[in-house]
Amino acid sequence: GEEVAQTPKHLVRGEGQKAKLYCAPIKGHSYVFWYQQVLKNEFKFLISFQNENVFDETGMPKERFSAKCLPNSPCSLEIQATKLEDSAVYFCASRRDRWLDSPLHFGNGTRLTVT
Amino acid sequence: DAKTTQPTSMDCAEGRAANLPCNHSTISGNEYVYWYRQIHSQGPQYIIHGLKNNETNEMASLIITEDRKSSTLILPHATLRDTAVYYCIVRVARGLNTDKLIFGTGTRLQVFP
Repeated sequence: GEEVAQTPKHLVRGEGQKAKLYCAPIKGHSYVFWYQQVLKNEFKFLISFQNENVFDETGMPKERFSAKCLPNSPCSLEIQATKLEDSAVYFCASRRDRWLDSPLHFGNGTRLTVT
Repeated sequence: DAKTTQPTSMDCAEGRAANLPCNHSTISGNEYVYWYRQIHSQGPQYIIHGLKNNETNEMASLIITEDRKSSTLILPHATLRDTAVYYCIVRVARGLNTDKLIFGTGTRLQVFP
């Protein structure tokens, strides 16, 4: 499609439960990024993929967070045993390529609330 | 990583030009400056980007100083729909495994009638 599609829009989980978020990048885009926005204006980079390969995972809290981008499937971000501090809006973004200065296109996010 | 500094908030009258400044004094020679905006809690929307030269598109103009240590985003005729948080971002791309946008705290632009 022409937009980055994220599902669900809202997700509520009890502390300790699993949360799984999905992202369909723009068709033809090879790079996918995940960002976490906790406070209103602060974005934290989590992980990026080049097709199905992890490109940069320096922002991932590895103990409970995992992510995948498999062929012919939406990308996913999974949080095992959620904590209150995981409450945030999670944005997915995609880019056509890396070597040209192509911009990143963001989805409208999934708002995760951990209670 | 290169950091950006922006004013926390700005006001602009509808129909006037909005000039949003950004400092990025530690930017490296091959790092691009990107501008995005976030309206309410939607995803960040791409506006414009540049490396050295001034750039213009249908949304805005980007003026980058010759030393590249600062830039200004110009919305030539602001409308109420331009009310948003504007982020000046440096795209960090080093080596083969690092390529990401480093967000600052942004400028909240309020356009008033």
